[in-house]
Amino acid sequence: DAGITQSPRHKVTETGTPVTLRCHQTENHRYMYWYRQDPGHGLRLIHYSYGVKDTDKGEVSDGYSVSRSKTEDFLLTLESATSSQTSVYFCAIRGGAGTEAFFGQGTRLTVV
Amino acid sequence: EDKVVQSPLSLVVHEGDTVTLNCSYEVTNFRSLLWYKQEKKAPTFLFMLTSSGIEKKSGRLSSILDKKELFSILNITATQTGDSAIYLCAVLTDSNYQLIWGAGTKLIIKP
Repeated sequence: DAGITQSPRHKVTETGTPVTLRCHQTENHRYMYWYRQDPGHGLRLIHYSYGVKDTDKGEVSDGYSVSRSKTEDFLLTLESATSSQTSVYFCAIRGGAGTEAFFGQGTRLTVV
Repeated sequence: EDKVVQSPLSLVVHEGDTVTLNCSYEVTNFRSLLWYKQEKKAPTFLFMLTSSGIEKKSGRLSSILDKKELFSILNITATQTGDSAIYLCAVLTDSNYQLIWGAGTKLIIKP
């Protein structure tokens, strides 16, 4: 299995609080991605990174920010959590161009 | 706009049947097409297809790409209940760093 770990695996938080999800990889892969998965929507890209300090927005980036200060860690922050951000969040990593992506185990986030 | 469309969105068959899942795409600078299986957890990689007409095979699963008609199929023969899952298709392009995902096909195998 690819060395990719997400933490926490489950979290319940209150509306309006900030939340940070962590993705950690041991593969030294260049590309890292944050997705959310909701019924009927498939995988939707939130943000991605193509190198240390190099990040860009995906299709559903509003309300989220990311940081990548070192190759192995990609953090996703919900600045002020809302109920619409209740979802399962997946991190994925990819090596060079033309390679497949490997996924973390997912984080189930509930905003109450 | 780049897009990937999977069909059907859901499918229910009986154990032992053969199924064919479809993935069509409209993208610029196509590089490769990937298939994933997702059970209750994270998607797991099945195949990557880059060249037309070359079948990739793993056990009862096989897949082929048609770059002229812009689609791929995933076949599963002699289905088992353990094949029940969401099957996801994604396309890699040379234009950017992203994978473009289809919505998935939910496959249910009844005993």
